[in-house]
Amino acid sequence: DAGVTQSPTHLIKTRGQQVTLRCSPKSGHDTVSWYQQALGQGPQFIFQYYEEEERQRGNFPDRFSGHQFPNYSSELNVNALLLGDSALYLCASSLGGQGPLGEQYFGPGTRLTVT
Amino acid sequence: AQSVTQLGSHVSVSEGALVLLRCNYSSSVPPYLFWYVQYPNQGLQLLLKYTTGATLVKGINGFEAEFKKSETSFHLTKPSAHMSDAAEYFCAVSDLKGGADGLTFGKGTHLIIQP
Repeated sequence: DAGVTQSPTHLIKTRGQQVTLRCSPKSGHDTVSWYQQALGQGPQFIFQYYEEEERQRGNFPDRFSGHQFPNYSSELNVNALLLGDSALYLCASSLGGQGPLGEQYFGPGTRLTVT
Repeated sequence: AQSVTQLGSHVSVSEGALVLLRCNYSSSVPPYLFWYVQYPNQGLQLLLKYTTGATLVKGINGFEAEFKKSETSFHLTKPSAHMSDAAEYFCAVSDLKGGADGLTFGKGTHLIIQP
């Protein structure tokens, strides 16, 4: 049973560019959450997708957007990249109906470096 | 808004000694609380969680945590440290806005095990 997978594992972009990160949830999971983890910090919640809609959003600007596909996989898009966007981006999947009673399974992350 | 404070960015213990990692939270509603572990270059793994019921929660790898409402604390303990416990530990609280369960994390505590 495959867990949460993310691609690519590493990415280097230039300021002002746009980036797309991808996540495939654990088999059977229908909810995907995205987190940004800056170096030496805890993960910060970006947003959560359920039934192809954004259900909840953290304190991130509109430059951060996402999408969920009918197969529950998800993309995170970041426009107009800033140096401060350099971080590890984590995807977590869960079962939407369980809420916090269910477990969020995390992927290994995508390391984004903005130069 | 919910928040999590982890006291001590680094904690060092000897192998076989007691591990105590501190976590305090703020929440306007009954919280759901979690401890996650992150090994180098990996995603987060759930150690244990408190939702309702018994305030002493047992998790994987011999860890446990006690929810103390009066102290707004959820400290993580393990009676005897093992070298394999060396990792980054994150305390988190669940934000239930709109039925979604995005997690708010602390900044993490790096656990060092001395031989």
